[in-house]
Amino acid sequence: EDQVTQSPEALRLQEGESSSLNCSYTVSGLRGLFWYRQDPGKGPEFLFTLYSAGEEKEKERLKATLTKKESFLHITAPKPEDSATYLCAVLFSGNTPLVFGKGTRLSVIA
Amino acid sequence: DSGVTQTPKHLITATGQRVTLRCSPRSGDLSVYWYQQSLDQGLQFLIQYYNGEERAKGNILERFSAQQFPDLHSELNLSSLELGDSALYFCASSVYTGLTTPGELFFGEGSRLTVL
Repeated sequence: EDQVTQSPEALRLQEGESSSLNCSYTVSGLRGLFWYRQDPGKGPEFLFTLYSAGEEKEKERLKATLTKKESFLHITAPKPEDSATYLCAVLFSGNTPLVFGKGTRLSVIA
Repeated sequence: DSGVTQTPKHLITATGQRVTLRCSPRSGDLSVYWYQQSLDQGLQFLIQYYNGEERAKGNILERFSAQQFPDLHSELNLSSLELGDSALYFCASSVYTGLTTPGELFFGEGSRLTVL
């Protein structure tokens, strides 16, 4: 069964303390990997799409990278407003919709 | 604002009851998805509609059903409710054309269902 696993479940950082979130997947044919941000009480908001190993995407303090078995979301010099749950989702082969991981809950303390 | 509208935002009901959740997709999006989010399971795909037709089905219980109407809004019906059905229910829409399945979904703010 195709699965998506995110780690850590929760991460607490000081403002300015860079770190990375991990998303690993078991796959029978990856069509794309997606990162979303979810604020409390809100729906997920799309951040990035990655299609092939070696690909990187950046947006402000966030950079997403992809290898053959995992993706990383690097957060550089985070600010309190970066606090949210970050969800990874994978599009597998066939016509199946997105499969989401359980997310990493990030807290950035000033 | 994603452009996806869900109602109601909050709903409290009793076991055994039936509720209907409503979703209006972004203007121009033909595809609607329903997801259930609970603390222990994360976001679970329920069902997808494209232009009024069911396109894909996830682990949706037989007590649950959905439809997409000609004006493209969608409704998720939950019946014979159980305590375990308490969760956030999200609707999302996309520009899915029917030929490929995109990963960029636009989510509504969800409907929080509490079953007592």
